[in-house]
Amino acid sequence: EVQLVESGGGLVQPGGSLRLSCAASGFTFSEHYMDWVRQAPGKGLEWVGRTRKKVNSYTTEYAASVKGRFTVSRDDSKNSLYLQMNSLKTEDTAVYYCARVSVVVPAAMDVWGKGTTVTVSS
Amino acid sequence: DIQMTQSPSTLSASVGDRVTITCRASQSITSWLAWYQQKPGKAPNLLIYKASTLESGVPSRFSGSGSGTEFTLTISSLQPDDFATYYCQQYNSYPLTFGGGTKVEIK
Repeated sequence: EVQLVESGGGLVQPGGSLRLSCAASGFTFSEHYMDWVRQAPGKGLEWVGRTRKKVNSYTTEYAASVKGRFTVSRDDSKNSLYLQMNSLKTEDTAVYYCARVSVVVPAAMDVWGKGTTVTVSS
Repeated sequence: DIQMTQSPSTLSASVGDRVTITCRASQSITSWLAWYQQKPGKAPNLLIYKASTLESGVPSRFSGSGSGTEFTLTISSLQPDDFATYYCQQYNSYPLTFGGGTKVEIK
C-alpha cells in the first residue's frame, strides 16, 4: 500500500525550530519529487516547498512566506522527507502535509499523508 | 505569482444535482491544473489532473475541462459522499498555488 506518514509536529514558541518527517512506503520514493503543503486552522491549502530527485540534484523550491526559514530535504536511503522549520512565527500554525508528486512532471500531488499539526504559540 | 480564483466559495446543492465549480488563473497555465477534494479533518485527495484527466479510482461523475485561464470541475449527479471542499491548483510555475476552495453543502 502506498503510504505517507508525517511526524514531528507539536507546540513550539515563536522564534523556535521544529523538524517534521515524512516516512514513505509502498512505492519507489527516489523516483518522485516530494512536496510539503500546509493548512492553517479553518483556511485553505498553501504549498510550502518541494524537493526534486537525485537526477535533478535534489534542488528545492519554496513559497515566499517560508523562504530562508524552512528547508526541505530528503534521504532516499531511508525513504524519508523532512521539513526543517526555523524562526517560527504564529502564522506558521497549521496542519502540515507531505505529498508525492506524480512521476512524470509537471505533475499533480497524487498521494498525501494524513498530516501533522504544528502550533506556534507562547 | 499566479493567482487562482475559485467561484463560488460556497455552493448549496441537493443529491442528484449537477454541480459546476469554476477556477480562473491570473495568467495562462495551459492545462497544468489539478482538482482536489477534501473532507473535514482529512487530507486532500486528487480527483483530476492536467485539467481533464480523471485520477484512477475517481468516479466518472467527476469531470474537468478548460485550458489557458478558465477551468471547470463538474459533478454530473451529486452523491452524499461528494459533500466536501474542492480546491484547484496550478502546477505550471513556481510558486505552486491553490484556489481558495469551494465548499459544497447540503441544500
